[in-house]
Amino acid sequence: GAVVSQHPSWVICKSGTSVKIECRSLDFQATTMFWYRQFPKQSLMLMATSNEGSKATYEQGVEKDKFLINHASLTLSTLTVTSAHPEDSSFYICSARGEQGSYEQYFGPGTRLTVT
Amino acid sequence: EDQVTQSPEALRLQEGESSSLNCSYTVSGLRGLFWYRQDPGKGPEFLFTLYSAGEEKEKERLKATLTKKESFLHITAPKPEDSATYLCAVGSSGSRLTFGEGTQLTVNP
Repeated sequence: GAVVSQHPSWVICKSGTSVKIECRSLDFQATTMFWYRQFPKQSLMLMATSNEGSKATYEQGVEKDKFLINHASLTLSTLTVTSAHPEDSSFYICSARGEQGSYEQYFGPGTRLTVT
Repeated sequence: EDQVTQSPEALRLQEGESSSLNCSYTVSGLRGLFWYRQDPGKGPEFLFTLYSAGEEKEKERLKATLTKKESFLHITAPKPEDSATYLCAVGSSGSRLTFGEGTQLTVNP
């Protein structure tokens, strides 16, 4: 149980284009999903928290107009990187929290984004 | 501000050589201490949740313990397949997790 998938697992795009990453909870309903970014040899950096049906809450320093998050259903959240630049290249990981009141997060396998 | 510090940064063991990883934390209102395992190029894999001091949990060769200030992840007779980065995180208000920098474990055959 508690399986989270991400698609795509890796993507290469040209500078100036937009990329959408999907995060799905496969066997449970996720009221809250999280998006993280991870640089090589570093820990996870929380970008934003999204609750189903409401606007995402972004961490300080994260541009909400650049990283668009939509949590349209209890099993799907999407992260769109708009007008991507090489410095947006990174490993993006989503997680989902299942039960209300539980702080356990289950992570997806991650998406490697390379912007050329 | 919640803080999580993991030590050591890296640990190299021989197969069968038991050891412990440390996670020290300061948090206002602990809502869980979490251990994850992360393999290169993968998302973190959930291992344990501990909620109160004195609590212990085990899974195969891993055992996690919790005090009011720190948590230990004990690895008994490790195997090469236990090689990974182990992440510790604390949950506090707002449902977010604060992660430590991780301990990179290498187990040599």
